[in-house]
This record gives sequence, structure tokens and C-alpha cells, in this order.
Amino acid sequence: QSALTQPASVSGSPGQSITISCTGTSSDIGNYNIVSWYQYHPGKAPKLIIYEVSKRPSGISNRFSGSKSGNTASLTISGLQAEDEADYYCCSYADSDTFVIFGGGTKLTVL
Amino acid sequence: QVQLVQSGAEVKKPGASVKVSCKTSGYTFSDYDIHWVRQAPGQGLEWMGRINPNSGDTKYARKYQGRVTMTRDTSISTGYMELPKLRSDDTAIYYCASVNYGDHDYWGQGTLITVSS
Repeated sequence: QSALTQPASVSGSPGQSITISCTGTSSDIGNYNIVSWYQYHPGKAPKLIIYEVSKRPSGISNRFSGSKSGNTASLTISGLQAEDEADYYCCSYADSDTFVIFGGGTKLTVL
Repeated sequence: QVQLVQSGAEVKKPGASVKVSCKTSGYTFSDYDIHWVRQAPGQGLEWMGRINPNSGDTKYARKYQGRVTMTRDTSISTGYMELPKLRSDDTAIYYCASVNYGDHDYWGQGTLITVSS
């Protein structure tokens, strides 16, 4: 199965909000509420920022929020800050043949 | 605190094998699956598979079925990922992660495997 579909890049100015979409199928996002989002700086360990579609781990800013509609999950970052510049990956549980699948990643640039 | 410490970077020749270790601490090893994820240069994160440390049951991504082997040693709370017949496109950073698909989500520091003649 191919990766979940994310935009290759998004950008925004400090203080603005951006949304990153993650589109899958009825075999993954559409069938499970087990969607996670990771913030990734290449060469470092991915950092969990959203789990189970919309929950935030302890210590993650409430500027990060997640949602899902049908086969598409979304990550919204409000009040953009320079430190938010990173790659973002969605990840979904999937049917037994695939099990776990990542998105292709989105590079966020804070202008 | 929870820690996952991976073995060090390696340079391998094409056709060789590599075995990466992931030593865990700070939690009950058998309680959470160990996943392996890699990132090749210029590519995204790619899930390779997972092992249930309690049962030893494995699940591999279709791309790696028949090739990768994930094992564990519960006596030392360590997971392993072995990849044989290395090719240049196996050059990547390999991560282990202890995950419950919820808020138990801890990653190793990554292991760079370079395949080059």
C-alpha cells in the first residue's frame, strides 16, 4: 500500500495558522481512530504531537490540534512560531495486510 | 524515565547483513510493541514492522516480508532488527520505537546504516 497522501510543503508567517491534510483510504484512516502526528527534524527522533486523531500528549502545546473526517485527517498549528519549522508526518493504524502506514511527510516553513 | 538506546552507526558493503539493537529501560519491556521505522536520504518515514515482546509475534510491512527479521531478548529488554543482503538503497537511519498507538510513544536515537562498496 502506498503512503498516506500529504502536501509536500506548507508555509505560514509567525502568528498565523496552517493545516496539513493526510488522506488515506477506508482501510486505514477511514476505519480507525488511531491516527498520530509526528514532528520530525531529520536525524532526530520523531516527536509525537497528536495521537488517537485529536489527543495531545502531556507537554505538547495546545497550539497543535488534530481532527478527522472520513478518510482524511488534519493537523492544525495555530499561532505559528519559528520553532514549529520541521517536517510533519501522519501515521495511521491500518488493516491487517498493512498494519501501520505513514504519510509522505510535509515540510513546514515559517516565513 | 523511559529510554531506548540503539547500537551505533555502521558501514556495510552491498550483500552484507546488519543487526541493529534497541535496549530499553524505564518500563516493562513486555507491555508494548517494538516498532522499527527507517528514513532513507531524501525520503519520508517508513514503517518496517513490529514485534510483540511478550509473545514474539511479528508483523512486517509487505515490502520487507521475507527479508527483515525482528527479534527480542526479554532477559535484557532489548529488541533487534536484522536486514540481510543489503543494497545501496538500504542506506538510511533506522529507528526503534516503543509504541501503544496512544501516549506511550518513545523512540531510540536512530542508527545510521550506510551501504557502500
